[in-house]
Amino acid sequence: KAGVTQTPRYLIKTRGQQVTLSCSPISGHRSVSWYQQTPGQGLQFLFEYFSETQRNKGNFPGRFSGRQFSNSRSEMNVSTLELGDSALYLCASSLSWGGLNEQFFGPGTRLTVL
Amino acid sequence: ILNVEQSPQSLHVQEGDSTNFTCSFPSSNFYALHWYRWETAKSPEALFVMTLNGDEKKKGRISATLNTKEGYSYLYIKGSQPEDSATYLCASMNTNAGKSTFGDGTTLTVKP
Repeated sequence: KAGVTQTPRYLIKTRGQQVTLSCSPISGHRSVSWYQQTPGQGLQFLFEYFSETQRNKGNFPGRFSGRQFSNSRSEMNVSTLELGDSALYLCASSLSWGGLNEQFFGPGTRLTVL
Repeated sequence: ILNVEQSPQSLHVQEGDSTNFTCSFPSSNFYALHWYRWETAKSPEALFVMTLNGDEKKKGRISATLNTKEGYSYLYIKGSQPEDSATYLCASMNTNAGKSTFGDGTTLTVKP
């Protein structure tokens, strides 16, 4: 069974630009969650999608948005990039939403904002 | 503000030693606790999902317990091996099911 895939793996952007990251969950998984990992803040929850609907949202500004497609693939978008957005972005998939199922993580996208 | 704390921050043990770490989380409106193992250059790997007070889960040499009334969970590794070297993270969900708050992790180094 193929694991969670994320594209691209590495990305370099400049301040003010926007970026879109993609996550393909394990086949049959309908929930996708996104996380940001920075050295200073650790791993932080961004949002969770299930059946194309955002079910939960973390404490991030509106510049961070996401969506989920009918095939459960998810994208997250960050607009007006800031230096502090440099981070590893991880997505994780699970069978259902709500935190009662194991989450399987992708390899992450390393975003560098210059 | 939800605060999840893990201790110790790091741990160095010899191969064969048994060890344990602590995850402290707010006990109010507890929903679920997740444990993960994160090896360098890899993705976090789910170890346990725990929901009930008194829960005990085991996977090979690794086990975990949960006390939701006092807000803590212990992770035990019996007979540590070098391949157990990793950062162990816990994540608590309170009130908002699915919205995780992570601890900073315990980094375990097992020396051969």
